[in-house]
Amino acid sequence: AAGVIQSPRHLIKEKRETATLKCYPIPRHDTVYWYQQGPGQDPQFLISFYEKMQSDKGSIPDRFSAQQFSDYHSELNMSSLELGDSALYFCASSLVGLLRESSSGANVLTFGAGSRLTVL
Amino acid sequence: RKEVEQDPGPFNVPEGATVAFNCTYSNSASQSFFWYRQDCRKEPKLLMSVYSSGNEDGRFTAQLNRASQYISLLIRDSKLSDSATYLCVVNRDDKIIFGKGTRLHILP
Repeated sequence: AAGVIQSPRHLIKEKRETATLKCYPIPRHDTVYWYQQGPGQDPQFLISFYEKMQSDKGSIPDRFSAQQFSDYHSELNMSSLELGDSALYFCASSLVGLLRESSSGANVLTFGAGSRLTVL
Repeated sequence: RKEVEQDPGPFNVPEGATVAFNCTYSNSASQSFFWYRQDCRKEPKLLMSVYSSGNEDGRFTAQLNRASQYISLLIRDSKLSDSATYLCVVNRDDKIIFGKGTRLHILP
């Protein structure tokens, strides 16, 4: 079965550079989430999109922006990178209907394998 | 206070033992509940949804107590491969909220 695809898997950047992460959700999923997970931390919600519109915003720095395109893939753009931005960035997708009906037993929120960003 | 709270552990448990974790949530409007498992440097993966009536999947049992606002996960006959971080996840108004996770180490 198709999963959530993220690219690149690993990325090394210098301070003050920019980086772009890509996410391809499971086909027919209508919602995409971005999370940042630092070492030993739980996933921190950054931003989400529902049907290509921003649906919720979490602790996303102003230096970061994201969008969802007509083919439902999403990109997270990070500028003026700082050392503290080094983390695993996960993208997840879901179908809102499945999320609300947890008794469906479906995999309600599916994560990609993550993109590991290292800022030097 | 975080909206979803878990004991971070680590829980060090001998193989074959039974272990249980709790997770409390503060917002009574929370609608659905899940346990995710995360291995080191890997993505979280759904372990099980938590139904109001409680549910079991093999060695794993999940319970929901809406009155006291907590969910629990019980693992019986623990295996070495159960070593992971277990994340409590709550859905409220389509907002997904993660607990910090409970680390479990199964000892041979």
